[in-house]
Amino acid sequence: EIVMTQSPATLSVSPGERATLSCRANESVSINVAWYQQKPGQPPTLLIYGASTRATGIPARFSGSGSGTQFTLTINSLQSEDFAVYYCQQYSKWPVYTFGQGTKLDSK
Amino acid sequence: QVQLVQSGAEVKKPGSSVKVSCKTSGYTFGTYGITWVRQAPGQGLEWMGVIIPILGTPNYAQRFQGRVTITTDESTKTVYMEVDSLRSDDTAIYYCARQWQGGSLAYWGQGTLVTVSS
Repeated sequence: EIVMTQSPATLSVSPGERATLSCRANESVSINVAWYQQKPGQPPTLLIYGASTRATGIPARFSGSGSGTQFTLTINSLQSEDFAVYYCQQYSKWPVYTFGQGTKLDSK
Repeated sequence: QVQLVQSGAEVKKPGSSVKVSCKTSGYTFGTYGITWVRQAPGQGLEWMGVIIPILGTPNYAQRFQGRVTITTDESTKTVYMEVDSLRSDDTAIYYCARQWQGGSLAYWGQGTLVTVSS
């Protein structure tokens, strides 16, 4: 099973600043990575797929990068609604697609 | 528009089973995989299993093999996920989600809270 490790577990950033979240796979997953945002009491929302393609309706301040084993989600000019938990997911090795343990982004 | 509507909350005794439904609409049922994900209280997302209805064969994460069964009813465009031999640590919100590009999950059900308690 591919293990996805996210860091840090918690990230404190001020509104208007940039947040950089990391996700590492224990073996290559090419660009088969998605990022999700989850707010309390809600299901996750797809932000990024294919490591760097924004899903429909996702603001341009969200961007993804990386390939192989290292991936990054960057959120520029943080808005109040961006403070949430973020998960990466690999979908490289059919049929088991694993999630990272999550990064909580909170307001400094 | 694509919609996934799940069945309501359940309270179960340890050792019993629970069956959660996920009724789909707004797209051609069968051509997209439906994945089940669970989230224990205060914890992260855990991938459980997937089925592509047109193919019919479900696949499960190893830790759920033999205890979780995913099935479909094409006539009602509904996917079911049953968990047997429930334990207290199965208490969680269970989500169904439809695959989008590759295995990414673009559409999610509202979640079903399953509480296992004696």
